[in-house]
Amino acid sequence: DVKVTQSSRYLVKRTGEKVFLECVQDMDHENMFWYRQDPGLGLRLIYFSYDVKMKEKGDIPEGYSVSREKKERFSLILESASTNQTSMYLCASSPDRGNQPQHFGDGTRLSIL
Amino acid sequence: ILNVEQSPQSLHVQEGDSTNFTCSFPSSNFYALHWYRWETAKSPEALFVMTLNGDEKKKGRISATLNTKEGYSYLYIKGSQPEDSATYLCAFEGSARQLTFGSGTQLTVLP
Repeated sequence: DVKVTQSSRYLVKRTGEKVFLECVQDMDHENMFWYRQDPGLGLRLIYFSYDVKMKEKGDIPEGYSVSREKKERFSLILESASTNQTSMYLCASSPDRGNQPQHFGDGTRLSIL
Repeated sequence: ILNVEQSPQSLHVQEGDSTNFTCSFPSSNFYALHWYRWETAKSPEALFVMTLNGDEKKKGRISATLNTKEGYSYLYIKGSQPEDSATYLCAFEGSARQLTFGSGTQLTVLP
């Protein structure tokens, strides 16, 4: 089974802090994604990557950056956390072929105080 | 940003009832339509990936149909059980290969 592991289930940080959310997958998938989920809005794509050192903006990239130095690891960075970034963050991966489902981590519930 | 809509937003049914939900999506630049089940405190789990107009897929008591020309998909659950309680998400995969998710249908099956 594909395993997508996110570093924390719950995280509390303060406004202005730099926050790192880590995601690791063990199936050698080329594609990795970061989403946030807010009530009534569904999953919204923040950033994605199709290869090492490659990144593309999703629908809501403002206030975030990403890093993919190794194929299995995709990090989401909040450069200066703000209260409107309090949310559930989900990482996903998929192989580099069409029509393939994405495999998700358990999510990180991040609170910015 | 693409518009993917799911209805109803939430649904309560009695154990043993059959139910269905709707996902509507753009009919242009279609590549695939995904369905996921997301149980509380777990990660979203893929149910189906559908690509062809008229496609029907089945997994146990859950099935789905696809109409790409008019841009909709139905998810059916036959004889709902309490363990079917979850949020059901659909996602449109367009030519860019990214997924655009609907906001989900939250199903509660009452014993």
